[in-house]
Amino acid sequence: AQKITQTQPGMFVQEKEAVTLDCTYDTSDPSYGLFWYKQPSSGEMIFLIYQGSYDQQNATEGRYSLNFQKARKSANLVISASQLGDSAMYFCAMREARSGGYNKLIFGAGTRLAVHP
Amino acid sequence: DVKVTQSSRYLVKRTGEKVFLECVQDMDHENMFWYRQDPGLGLRLIYFSYDVKMKEKGDIPEGYSVSREKKERFSLILESASTNQTSMYLCASSPHSGSGTNEQFFGPGTRLTVL
Repeated sequence: AQKITQTQPGMFVQEKEAVTLDCTYDTSDPSYGLFWYKQPSSGEMIFLIYQGSYDQQNATEGRYSLNFQKARKSANLVISASQLGDSAMYFCAMREARSGGYNKLIFGAGTRLAVHP
Repeated sequence: DVKVTQSSRYLVKRTGEKVFLECVQDMDHENMFWYRQDPGLGLRLIYFSYDVKMKEKGDIPEGYSVSREKKERFSLILESASTNQTSMYLCASSPHSGSGTNEQFFGPGTRLTVL
């Protein structure tokens, strides 16, 4: 069965340092997509970055990069040069191609990141 | 600016009440979703809809129903609210495609408390 695991309930990092948030997934579908979302205290889910299972390069979006290790089934989010505004809940999610056009996502439990000045 | 809106940010209801949560999107998306979010459990899919009047059960549909009479509006209904339905409810929408980024867009959430 498909599953997303985020093993770090909480993390903290010093401002301006880099931090890695872990995500492992389990699927038998050869085609899938991986997403990271940020949820600040306001509650709204903000899309950060996407990685397709056939993408050759690791995805990057500004200070966010996705360390995709297909053989290990891991899709860790790396935030470089952390800022106070990065303090939030972070969710890893997966979409399997066999969900078809429904575009269904499976979410992990989330990691709460605190950035300290 | 793309937008998903939810009718209330905070809602307090009594056990046994019928509760309606409304969600509206302005992106002409085919797919719409209702999730509940609980600490340590992440987001769990309650129901989704892929077209007007079409709906599919998610992972935790018990105690909920949905309605989609118009493409832009997706309603979640708690027929008889119970205290274990106290939670954060998130609505999302996405295009009808399972490839490429096509991320889901989320509303601000409704924090429902059932007393």
